[in-house]
This record gives sequence, C-alpha cells and structure tokens, in this order.
Amino acid sequence: DVKVTQSSRYLVKRTGEKVFLECVQDMDHENMFWYRQDPGLGLRLIYFSYDVKMKEKGDIPEGYSVSREKKERFSLILESASTNQTSMYLCASSSYSYEQYFGPGTRLTVT
Amino acid sequence: QKEVEQDPGPLSVPEGAIVSLNCTYSNSAFQYFMWYRQYSRKGPELLMYTYSSGNKEDGRFTAQVDKSSKYISLFIRDSQPSDSATYLCAITYSSASKIIFGSGTRLSIRP
Repeated sequence: DVKVTQSSRYLVKRTGEKVFLECVQDMDHENMFWYRQDPGLGLRLIYFSYDVKMKEKGDIPEGYSVSREKKERFSLILESASTNQTSMYLCASSSYSYEQYFGPGTRLTVT
Repeated sequence: QKEVEQDPGPLSVPEGAIVSLNCTYSNSAFQYFMWYRQYSRKGPELLMYTYSSGNKEDGRFTAQVDKSSKYISLFIRDSQPSDSATYLCAITYSSASKIIFGSGTRLSIRP
C-alpha cells in the first residue's frame, strides 16, 4: 500500500512565525503536491514537484515556498505565517496525475 | 466560471437507497474524470477514474461521463452507512496535468 505521511496532524503557530510542513511518501513517486482545503473552496493546489529539486507554482502559491531535496520528501514552508493561512494542508504523491495518494492532512491554526 | 462545479449538499439518504452525485465542467478538452472519497479527518482517496466518455463500474459504484453535456456522475447502489463521506469530483487534461477538484458533496447514509 502507498503510504504518504505528514509530520503533524495538528499545529498551532503564531502570526509571523516560519512554519515547516513535511511530507514523505514511500512509493518512489515522481510527482508530489501540496494542497490546502477550505470549506466551500475545495482543494486548491499550492505547489507541485515532478522531480527532485524541481517545483512548479500551483493556483495559490503566494506566501508559500517548497523544497524537494530527496525524491520521497516534499516540504511546504510558510515564510511568515498569517491568520488567512489557517487551513487543512494536504500532501499527495503520484505517478500519474489522476491517481493521487493523499496523506492524512495537517490542520494548521495561525493565531 | 469555475472549471468544475459540484453541489456541496449535504445530502442525506436512507440506507439501501441509490445515490446520485453530479458535477459539471466547462472545458471539453478534459479527458480524465475522477471521483475521490474523503472520510472525516482523513485525506481523499481515489474511488474511480474514467478516461474519455462512458461508464465504469466497480461493485456498488458506477461512474458516468457525458462529454456532450459536460456532466459527470457517480452512482452508489445499495448505499451503506460506511459510504457516509465527502465525495469530490476531479478532472484533468492528461495523465501529466494537474487535477482540478470540485468542492465536494457531503453525503450521509441514515441506518
């Protein structure tokens, strides 16, 4: 079974803090994704990566950056957390874009 | 206009009923049509995908694509309380393109 793990299930941070969200997959997938999920807005793509050290902006990259130094690991960085970044963050990996495997999510609250 | 539209529900039906979940999309160039299921406090999981048009059946689940009307459907027969979840439709142009998700329909099956 494909397994995608995320470093934290729940996280509370203060405004202005730098926040790191880690994602690890164990299926040797080339593609990895970061989404945020908000009520009524569905899943929105923040960044994705199709290879080590490669990254592409998604639909809402502002305020975020990513890092992929190893194939199995994809990190999302909030440089200076703001309250409007309070959300559920979901990581996914895939070989084919239509078949994405998601982690359990990190619920981030910024106060 | 959103690229994919989905009624958020909630939808509540009695156990054993046939459930119909639907989405519409705007661009006829989309080729892959997916349904993801998301249980509470979990990440989405791929339920079914269809390439191009037509029907696909998997047990109690049937996915249907009508490209002429840009309409995708998921039917659940003999619905069970364990089917209670949020169902997200998703579309993409190709196996290498990013996915666009609907906002999800929350479904509840009453015992």
